Amino acid sequence: DSGVTQTPKHLITATGQRVTLRCSPRSGDLSVYWYQQSLDQGLQFLIQYYNGEERAKGNILERFSAQQFPDLHSELNLSSLELGDSALYFCASSVGLAAGDTQYFGPGTRLTVL
Amino acid sequence: SQQGEEDPQALSIQEGENATMNCSYKTSINNLQWYRQNSGRGLVHLILIRSNEREKHSGRLRVTLDTSKKSSSLLITASRAADTASYFCATAGSNAGNMLTFGGGTRLMVKP
Repeated sequence: DSGVTQTPKHLITATGQRVTLRCSPRSGDLSVYWYQQSLDQGLQFLIQYYNGEERAKGNILERFSAQQFPDLHSELNLSSLELGDSALYFCASSVGLAAGDTQYFGPGTRLTVL
Repeated sequence: SQQGEEDPQALSIQEGENATMNCSYKTSINNLQWYRQNSGRGLVHLILIRSNEREKHSGRLRVTLDTSKKSSSLLITASRAADTASYFCATAGSNAGNMLTFGGGTRLMVKP
C-alpha cells in the first residue's frame, strides 16, 4: 500500500459525459501528479500540482482539468468524454519538487467510456 | 510521448533464472527510475539511479546507467514467480516539476 488513495476504482460512463476522479496523496506529500495509461499511448504524464499550484503540464487535453485543494487532495475532471479516453488514470504523490523525490502511485481509476 | 523504448517487450523465463531488461531514452536526464506494475494495478517504485551514478543495487535488483548511450538495464537475479509483472523505466529531466516520462515497459513472466 503506497498511502495514495484514489476513488472510484472503476467508472463506466457514456460518451459526452463528465466525470471527476479523486486522489488523496500520502500524508506529508505536497506534490500530486496525474498520469494516464492506455494501450495505444502507454503511460503519459498529464499534470502536476504542488501545494495547490499547477507546476507542470504534459499531454493533457483541453477537455481535462485538475485542481489541488487546500487539504492537498486533488481532482481530475474529464469532460465531453470520448471512447479514446478509456484508460487507467493514476495519481502519484511526492514530498516535494526535487527530481529525486520518489513518486508513490495510487491504485488507479479505470475509466471505461461506452 | 514516451521517452524511449524498452527491450524486450516481453520476456519469459524459469524461476531461478536471471531477467535482464533494457531501456533507452532520448533526452538528458536527472535520474532514471524503475517501476513494477502487477496486472492493471498501481506502479511500485523499485529503484532510482542518478545521472552521475553508473550502477546501483537493491536486494536482487541491479541497475546500470550509461548516459553516453542513453540507456539503462535492470537485472533481477534468481527470479521468482512473484516477480511476474510489467517493468517500466521512467526518466526525470532537469526541468522543474519532476514529471516522469515512461518507456513502453517489459512484460516479464516467471514460470514456476
